[in-house]
Amino acid sequence: GQNIDQPTEMTATEGAIVQINCTYQTSGFNGLFWYQQHAGEAPTFLSYNVLDGLEEKGRFSSFLSRSKGYSYLLLKELQMKDSASYLCAVKGDYKLSFGAGTTVTVRA
Amino acid sequence: KAGVTQTPRYLIKTRGQQVTLSCSPISGHRSVSWYQQTPGQGLQFLFEYFSETQRNKGNFPGRFSGRQFSNSRSEMNVSTLELGDSALYLCASSSMPEGTYEQYFGPGTRLTVT
Repeated sequence: GQNIDQPTEMTATEGAIVQINCTYQTSGFNGLFWYQQHAGEAPTFLSYNVLDGLEEKGRFSSFLSRSKGYSYLLLKELQMKDSASYLCAVKGDYKLSFGAGTTVTVRA
Repeated sequence: KAGVTQTPRYLIKTRGQQVTLSCSPISGHRSVSWYQQTPGQGLQFLFEYFSETQRNKGNFPGRFSGRQFSNSRSEMNVSTLELGDSALYLCASSSMPEGTYEQYFGPGTRLTVT
């Protein structure tokens, strides 16, 4: 089966950095995705990691360690518009399984 | 290129009824996956279709079914609705199956069962 854990909520100040951790246990591993979902909207793709290491894309970076079953999403220079839910998703043997999501609140 | 579209956007049904939701993927995408999203359970995988064939199925009862047409449009049907079926139903399209490539989500259909 699949087990994906991430914190429920995080709060940070505008301009700061926030790191969202995701740990997983899956039957098979074929990549890890991060999605952003604003309230009332559909999830949108942020990043994809299949090899160990850090992938940087502008203010957002994602890290993966397959041996530890661990990933994090790093949000830098936080902006108010970054307030959203961040979903960690793991592709196992045949499907994409999502974590419950981490709600990030950015305060002025 | 137009995004993923879902119809209807909102739906209110009563217990025992059945409902059909529709999803049109991005042009050229042949994979359509369906998810149920609730506050308590998060995003739960329902099933995936690729080239009119169901490739994978999540852990949902047989009341949940789907199909895909030759133009890649997909429909999802829920029969004998229960209160617990109230949720946001999202479909996502991809150029390849089984989450190999990035999935693009539609805006969802908000189903309320009373």
